[in-house]
Amino acid sequence: ETGVTQSPTHLIKTRGQQVTLRCSSQSGHNTVSWYQQALGQGPQFIFQYYREEENGRGNFPPRFSGLQFPNYSSELNVNALELDDSALYLCASSFGRGDTEAFFGQGTRLTVV
Amino acid sequence: DQQVKQNSPSLSVQEGRISILNCDYTNSMFDYFLWYKKYPAEGPTFLISISSIKDKNEDGRFTVFLNKSAKHLSLHIVPSQPGDSAVYFCAATISGNTGKLIFGQGTTLQVKP
Repeated sequence: ETGVTQSPTHLIKTRGQQVTLRCSSQSGHNTVSWYQQALGQGPQFIFQYYREEENGRGNFPPRFSGLQFPNYSSELNVNALELDDSALYLCASSFGRGDTEAFFGQGTRLTVV
Repeated sequence: DQQVKQNSPSLSVQEGRISILNCDYTNSMFDYFLWYKKYPAEGPTFLISISSIKDKNEDGRFTVFLNKSAKHLSLHIVPSQPGDSAVYFCAATISGNTGKLIFGQGTTLQVKP
């Protein structure tokens, strides 16, 4: 059984640039959730995708957007990067509308300079 | 507005003793609570959960207690082991959607040999 994998593991971008982060969900899972974890804080919910449609969004601006593909993998896109976007971005996959345990990937560390 | 709070940033205990990690919440709509453990450079790993209809759930060395009237939950680890040293996050959700979690800030547990 393949776990949740995220790519890349580390990334450095310049303020104003755009970034795309990727997540492959665990085999058999059709729901993907994205979180942002700033240094010293707990993960903060960005949005969730269930069967290719957005199924809820946290308090993040529209420049944070996402996609889920037919194979249930997902992308997180962030436009017009700001210094405060520097964080660990975590992806979690589960089955259904989240009524099963969610499994997290190892995260992508994004640094904006 | 921090809906889930872990007021102790760190905790240090001796190997073999009990570790008690605490968590408070403000939203009475939360109906499912989880604890996650996180090692550096890894994603959070699910430990144990509890539904709001219960007041205790036990799994091996880990027990979670829920006091709904006080909006408080705690994680007990007995006996504590050096391998338990990690950051512990309390999380809550509504309608059991484990993909839309509200996390606390985390407590760093150090278990000394």
